[in-house]
Amino acid sequence: ETGVTQSPTHLIKTRGQQVTLRCSSQSGHNTVSWYQQALGQGPQFIFQYYREEENGRGNFPPRFSGLQFPNYSSELNVNALELDDSALYLCASSGTQTYGYTFGSGTRLTVV
Amino acid sequence: GEDVEQSLFLSVREGDSSVINCTYTDSSSTYLYWYKQEPGAGLQLLTYIFSNMDMKQDQRLTVLLNKKDKHLSLRIADTQTGDSAIYFCAEILPELIFGTGTLLAVQP
Repeated sequence: ETGVTQSPTHLIKTRGQQVTLRCSSQSGHNTVSWYQQALGQGPQFIFQYYREEENGRGNFPPRFSGLQFPNYSSELNVNALELDDSALYLCASSGTQTYGYTFGSGTRLTVV
Repeated sequence: GEDVEQSLFLSVREGDSSVINCTYTDSSSTYLYWYKQEPGAGLQLLTYIFSNMDMKQDQRLTVLLNKKDKHLSLRIADTQTGDSAIYFCAEILPELIFGTGTLLAVQP
């Protein structure tokens, strides 16, 4: 059973650019969530997808968007990058028979 | 609003017990979780407790839940240097709301 995998592991972008982060859910999991973890902080909920539809969103602007695909993998897209978007972005998946979320190792995004 | 609070830092000696505390705000949470994060890594689920339970024990880990006071604690028995990490409590609403994290430093 594979866990949650995220790519890339590290990324450097320039302010104003766009970025796409990718996540493969754990086998059998149909729900995927994305979290932003700034340095020294706890993870903050961005949004969640279930069966390819967004079914929950945190306090993030519309330039943060996502997709979930039929194989339950997911993308997080961020447009018009700002310096404050620099953070560790974590993907988590869960299934109907699980009681917790399995997290990937994250993508470290640096905006310069 | 939703706010989960934890103390920022705990230092213990190897072999001692560690107790990490957390207060949460939403009494409707069905589960409460403890996650561990090592440097540069993602979050590892350590344990969880149903909201209708008072205590759960899992090997060296003991979780205590006081619903009246909205207080959750994680006790690690016989703490080892490999336990050094940041520990997050989280409530589920259904999205996970995390605390600020407690850095556990284990001195040899």
